[in-house]
Amino acid sequence: EPEVTQTPSHQVTQMGQEVILRCVPISNHLYFYWYRQILGQKVEFLVSFYNNEISEKSEIFDDQFSVERPDGSNFTLKIRSTKLEDSAMYFCARRDGSYGYTFGSGTRLTVV
Amino acid sequence: AQKVTQAQTEISVVEKEDVTLDCVYETRDTTYYLFWYKQPPSGELVFLIRRNSFDEQNEISGRYSWNFQKSTSSFNFTITASQVVDSAVYFCALSLRSEKLVFGKGTKLTVNP
Repeated sequence: EPEVTQTPSHQVTQMGQEVILRCVPISNHLYFYWYRQILGQKVEFLVSFYNNEISEKSEIFDDQFSVERPDGSNFTLKIRSTKLEDSAMYFCARRDGSYGYTFGSGTRLTVV
Repeated sequence: AQKVTQAQTEISVVEKEDVTLDCVYETRDTTYYLFWYKQPPSGELVFLIRRNSFDEQNEISGRYSWNFQKSTSSFNFTITASQVVDSAVYFCALSLRSEKLVFGKGTKLTVNP
């Protein structure tokens, strides 16, 4: 199974800007997830995506966030109007077979 | 709602010591999955083990072993003869059938030479 690759590995953005975090490549999987980890804290669920639709989202995942699978392979997380508190590591994950999960290497987002 | 508690925030040991990381979980479901992940300083999440709720057999993989006890809702992780390379944050996590992972707050393990 191919690994889950995230790009960029590190992104610095100015407060108020929009960022798009990418998760590539994606093979023939149906379940995808985004998680967030603020520095030094636990990994928190943001959203799950099944068959090209959001299946569940957390309280964190408000209107500022959106997810897409624009071309059937990439899986993106868009954060609009970034705030300082959005600074975190963002992990993409896919579900493998019987309830295993493979995580990407993460994108460290720094909002300045 | 599901919950995972890792009461040990930080543990420091000397190389070659054994160390046990505790994990207590809460769920009302009878079918669930438990995981351990390692997060080294480089930041990625490294999968260590998955265990389903119907399999209480303990597991050993090299220096790593896991003790799953449904009676106490615990899924503890032991590293035998710890090494400096074991230094990392370790997360215990829980998921239901097809749902998200719920993580504990993690235990930072430091193994000193």
